Amino acid sequence: QKEVEQNSGPLSVPEGAIASLNCTYSDRGSQSFFWYRQYSGKSPELIMSIYSNGDKEDGRFTAQLNKASQYVSLLIRDSQPSDSATYLCAVNRDTGNQFYFGTGTSLTVIP
Amino acid sequence: GAVVSQHPSRVICKSGTSVKIECRSLDFQATTMFWYRQFPKQSLMLMATSNEGSKATYEQGVEKDKFLINHASLTLSTLTVTSAHPEDSSFYICSGASGRVYNEQFFGPGTRLTVL
Repeated sequence: QKEVEQNSGPLSVPEGAIASLNCTYSDRGSQSFFWYRQYSGKSPELIMSIYSNGDKEDGRFTAQLNKASQYVSLLIRDSQPSDSATYLCAVNRDTGNQFYFGTGTSLTVIP
Repeated sequence: GAVVSQHPSRVICKSGTSVKIECRSLDFQATTMFWYRQFPKQSLMLMATSNEGSKATYEQGVEKDKFLINHASLTLSTLTVTSAHPEDSSFYICSGASGRVYNEQFFGPGTRLTVL
């Protein structure tokens, strides 16, 4: 079983719609959770961090964490073509250096 | 967020030569830095984890004598690809762990290596 699992996609949504990206993780002791955006040919960029159960909103982005279900998601409201990228879910098992990345979900926002 | 730089951004070299890539944390001290490699349309692959002042920890299958990592200070780590071959051509990305409570990783912009 992989530490972090994501649906590779591709996920396509029309411009203005809500894009929903999902991630599950295997270690119940995981402490912190991150979403990165990676454009083609570029390095990953941190867009959201979440540490507590519930929702965390930042602009058009909302991260949702459910530790009981070992599930973390990212919602992108009012999706724009510029949101088209690969979204990586990452988990830190403790406050040390045990990071695990999912393989990423490719999102395409269709104008 | 915190800023990580990498140099060079692109390098083309001949087979058999060595290439050094620098990774710097510009506005934070990175006790731990990570080196990744990414082939086209594939996911990130962790190569090694380096802690300042100690030897790097390499992932299984990564040759430590070929990919030399030095983390001499809290703001600088280097990766040297020795005796490069065409199959080493890839996108190399470093990241620094913030060291804050939740220890986010911040990535450098990457170095595209092409070995002829």
